[in-house]
Amino acid sequence: AQSVSQHNHHVILSEAASLELGCNYSYGGTVNLFWYVQYPGQHLQLLLKYFSGDPLVKGIKGFEAEFIKSKFSFNLRKPSVQWSDTAEYFCAVNSNTGNQFYFGTGTSLTVIP
Amino acid sequence: DGGITQSPKYLFRKEGQNVTLSCEQNLNHDAMYWYRQDPGQGLRLIYYSQIVNDFQKGDIAEGYSVSREKKESFPLTVTSAQKNPTAFYLCASTTGGQDEQYFGPGTRLTVT
Repeated sequence: AQSVSQHNHHVILSEAASLELGCNYSYGGTVNLFWYVQYPGQHLQLLLKYFSGDPLVKGIKGFEAEFIKSKFSFNLRKPSVQWSDTAEYFCAVNSNTGNQFYFGTGTSLTVIP
Repeated sequence: DGGITQSPKYLFRKEGQNVTLSCEQNLNHDAMYWYRQDPGQGLRLIYYSQIVNDFQKGDIAEGYSVSREKKESFPLTVTSAQKNPTAFYLCASTTGGQDEQYFGPGTRLTVT
């Protein structure tokens, strides 16, 4: 079975600091990769996704992620965080032949004004 | 507006009772999913359905049941056999295949 690891469980940053959240997956085949965000009291929503092509993908609100196939990684980055980025972030993966999605345990980000 | 609705938002039940959580979508999506979200454990798949009248067990299906009689609806029943039912339950849908999932607002179930 596939699995997804998010190594940072809780991250605290000051506004304007740079962010990088790690995500590694275990699956040897072709995968589709996603980052979702859950703001307090809101639905889970898609931040960005990677299916193929340019391994550097840009999402909403200034977020980006880089797919490094050799490292089985899909780390999320933002150059300068804002207080409104306080949320829980989930990495997810599915194979291009499967119907199941596998989620990491999530990273809780707190941005201090 | 298109989207996924889950009701109720909060649900309280006594131990030993079955309870059904509602999930409806008007996105015309083929595939629907149920997840359980617990602190520190992320989202774990309970059941999913790719098409009407068909569904598959996920990683933690024991103690749960589902039905998919209509494309728009995918209710989840938490049975008395589920040993630890108190959790936040999320429903999701997708067009099928590997496209991204759209999530509902969730139902927080508390069993005492």
